[in-house]
Amino acid sequence: TQLLEQSPQFLSIQEGENLTVYCNSSSVFSSLQWYRQEPGEGPVLLVTVVTGGEVKKLKRLTFQFGDARKDSSLHITAAQTGDTGLYLCAFRTGANNLFFGTGTRLTVIP
Amino acid sequence: GAGVSQTPSNKVTEKGKYVELRCDPISGHTALYWYRQSLGQGPEFLIYFQGTGAADDSGLPNDRFFAVRPEGSVSTLKIQRTERGDSAVYLCASSRQWNTEAFFGQGTRLTVV
Repeated sequence: TQLLEQSPQFLSIQEGENLTVYCNSSSVFSSLQWYRQEPGEGPVLLVTVVTGGEVKKLKRLTFQFGDARKDSSLHITAAQTGDTGLYLCAFRTGANNLFFGTGTRLTVIP
Repeated sequence: GAGVSQTPSNKVTEKGKYVELRCDPISGHTALYWYRQSLGQGPEFLIYFQGTGAADDSGLPNDRFFAVRPEGSVSTLKIQRTERGDSAVYLCASSRQWNTEAFFGQGTRLTVV
């Protein structure tokens, strides 16, 4: 059973375009995390969102936690080739384990 | 070292053989995680250690998989009687405490032929 579904699974866009990827669940989470993983590397934490409705910005990346704390989105403005990678959302369980979503593979074409 | 180190970086083994994958976490990190990742997919949880003990091993797919962390630092993931379906990248991560940022190694790419 996959608790975190991410969409789209694949996304290919031109440099300079905007995009949004989604992380959805039927479960309520105390927090959600977003990671980016580049080929041959492990995932790297981008942000943690904690409060329902919270918006966090990291340069051209905007992260939002849903009001009901069941979903989250990542919006990238003016995508660059360096944004290419696998974007993962994740949550911590009550036992403090860390589970990941299915991932969105983003390719930014120059 | 400064980061999580995994060895070997690549491992090719024959079906039916035994393999060991090693993870050296960041010094002082008490939590250690193992994941398996297939191409283009999110990491699939295998096992989570707090100190020397496995706090959650519910992700281990079957009894061919086993992991240890005897001194609360280095961990070894052991796979017996490997199958072609075990081929994947095995990722290790560590965090200072149970609720702090997890840092990942670069993974071990296991190929079973």
